Amino acid sequence: GAGVSQSPSNKVTEKGKDVELRCDPISGHTALYWYRQSLGQGLEFLIYFQGNSAPDKSGLPSDRFSAERTGGSVSTLTIQRTQQEDSAVYLCASSPNFNEQFFGPGTRLTVL
Amino acid sequence: SQKIEQNSEALNIQEGKTATLTCNYTNYSPAYLQWYRQDPGRGPVFLLLIRENEKEKRKERLKVTFDTTLKQSLFHITASQPADSATYLCALPLYSGAGSYQLTFGKGTKLSVIP
Repeated sequence: GAGVSQSPSNKVTEKGKDVELRCDPISGHTALYWYRQSLGQGLEFLIYFQGNSAPDKSGLPSDRFSAERTGGSVSTLTIQRTQQEDSAVYLCASSPNFNEQFFGPGTRLTVL
Repeated sequence: SQKIEQNSEALNIQEGKTATLTCNYTNYSPAYLQWYRQDPGRGPVFLLLIRENEKEKRKERLKVTFDTTLKQSLFHITASQPADSATYLCALPLYSGAGSYQLTFGKGTKLSVIP
């Protein structure tokens, strides 16, 4: 079956522009996560969606970051007024339970 | 504060030997611990989950131990192969402060299996 997909795979943008990153989770998975991975750093938790509950946004680094999940499926992570320090790989994961997570291939964001 | 440490950034090992990776944590008592594998340019792939009441878990050539007294997990790959070369991440559920537990990942150990 299809795994988690993310688009675009690469995104180059200029400082100050807004970007949208998309995640298509595995069908039927109720939990969806966004992480950020910078060079030489571990995965940094950003936000978590579980069913229809309010999302856990505790990992978002600033109010320039936001995410939504429509219809309990597709999710979009939006970064407004991008900064160079936002450059990283953004990973999405979904899970059917509170155990293993299934990750997408990531979106590599480069802010010039 | 709660910390997760994977002791080695990189580990080189000869093909056929057993690779042992370490994950230590402090100021926390997790209900379980997970190990993932990450290849360059790809997302992590789940390998094993071990619960606090389990001392050891095996899957094919993989073995994970969980010592809640030492606050340590060991990840072993027996009869290692060049295809096992990857970065291995341990992950623990930590309270996010917003009503849920979130997986917090170590920085990983890059394993290179030399033919």
